[in-house]
Amino acid sequence: DVKVTQSSRYLVKRTGEKVFLECVQDMDHENMFWYRQDPGLGLRLIYFSYDVKMKEKGDIPEGYSVSREKKERFSLILESASTNQTSMYLCASSCSREGRSYNEQFFGPGTRLTVL
Amino acid sequence: AQTVTQSQPEMSVQEAETVTLSCTYDTSENNYYLFWYKQPPSRQMILVIRQEAYKQQNATENRFSVNFQKAAKSFSLKISDSQLGDTAMYFCAFMEGAGNMLTFGGGTRLMVKP
Repeated sequence: DVKVTQSSRYLVKRTGEKVFLECVQDMDHENMFWYRQDPGLGLRLIYFSYDVKMKEKGDIPEGYSVSREKKERFSLILESASTNQTSMYLCASSCSREGRSYNEQFFGPGTRLTVL
Repeated sequence: AQTVTQSQPEMSVQEAETVTLSCTYDTSENNYYLFWYKQPPSRQMILVIRQEAYKQQNATENRFSVNFQKAAKSFSLKISDSQLGDTAMYFCAFMEGAGNMLTFGGGTRLMVKP
């Protein structure tokens, strides 16, 4: 089974702090994603990475950056946390499309971040 | 850009009954995939069912089935013989045929009552 893990289930930070959210997958997937989940808005894509050191902006990248130095690990960075970044953050991974009709995304358990 | 709309923020159903969750989407693409994901309370999101747009036959997975109406851009999920374990947030999602990224709806919170 695919396993996607996130470093923390709950995190409380103060405004202005630098925050790191870590995600690790164990299935050698090429693609990794960071989403933000808010009530009524569903999941919105923050950043997407299709290979080591490669990244693409999603729908809401402002205030976030990412790092992918190793294939299995994808980090989301909040350079200076703000209260409007209080949310649930979900990581996901999927294999590449080559030879496949579609690629299912597998999700981590989520990190509930509160910024005070 | 694609949009996905789930018009029912919350629903409830009695155990053993049938419930239908609605989803509509907007796209100019002809080749795409549609998904329903389930997020149980405090647990990880999992894929329930998927539908390829080029297939006319509606997808079925055990008690879960979809009603895919391509012309109407509608993709509803039917849960038969509802069980307490079906209590969860359900998200409808869209993926372009050649893409990797999902566009999600706002979600429907389903409560199955004993």
